[in-house]
Amino acid sequence: NAGVMQNPRHLVRRRGQEARLRCSPMKGHSHVYWYRQLPEEGLKFMVYLQKENIIDESGMPKERFSAEFPKEGPSILRIQQVVRGDSAAYFCASSPGNMDEQYFGPGTRLTVT
Amino acid sequence: KQEVTQIPAALSVPEGENLVLNCSFTDSAIYNLQWFRQDPGKGLTSLLLIQSSQREQTSGRLNASLDKSSGRSTLYIAASQPGDSATYLCAVTYNDMRFGAGTRLTVKP
Repeated sequence: NAGVMQNPRHLVRRRGQEARLRCSPMKGHSHVYWYRQLPEEGLKFMVYLQKENIIDESGMPKERFSAEFPKEGPSILRIQQVVRGDSAAYFCASSPGNMDEQYFGPGTRLTVT
Repeated sequence: KQEVTQIPAALSVPEGENLVLNCSFTDSAIYNLQWFRQDPGKGLTSLLLIQSSQREQTSGRLNASLDKSSGRSTLYIAASQPGDSATYLCAVTYNDMRFGAGTRLTVKP
């Protein structure tokens, strides 16, 4: 059973471009969480999704950020018109059910130049 | 406000020492508490998960305790090794998961 997979592992974007980060949960997991870790800061919750539904997006910036978890395929975190402050490590986690143990992916390190 | 605090921020010990990392949380209405390890530039590795109804969990040289009423958890590492050097994160699950800032551990050979 492969773990949580994230790609790409490293992503470089120029200011104003779009960034798409992908997360494939562990097999059998239907709950996905996204977190952001800014340089020298702790992890912060962004959004919690189940298949085709956003359950909690209280940690998402109000603009430019969106997330989806379609019926088929990976979960996508999309950042439009990236700015330097978006440079961070973005981690995805999955769990089999709500409040179950979360398993983390290796992260995507986004650098905005 | 649901905050998670970890003390100390950094810790350096000689190999072989037993050590304790501390985590405190302001709201005791938790679902569970999880300890993670993060190596530089890497993802998170789950070490131990303690459900709200449990008092402790053990895995190898690691033991984590939970005292909900006082809002505290400790991670005990026995006979530390240089390979234990990493940042240790405490995370508390409410409606979402809240992380502490971590304790950066260095075990010197």
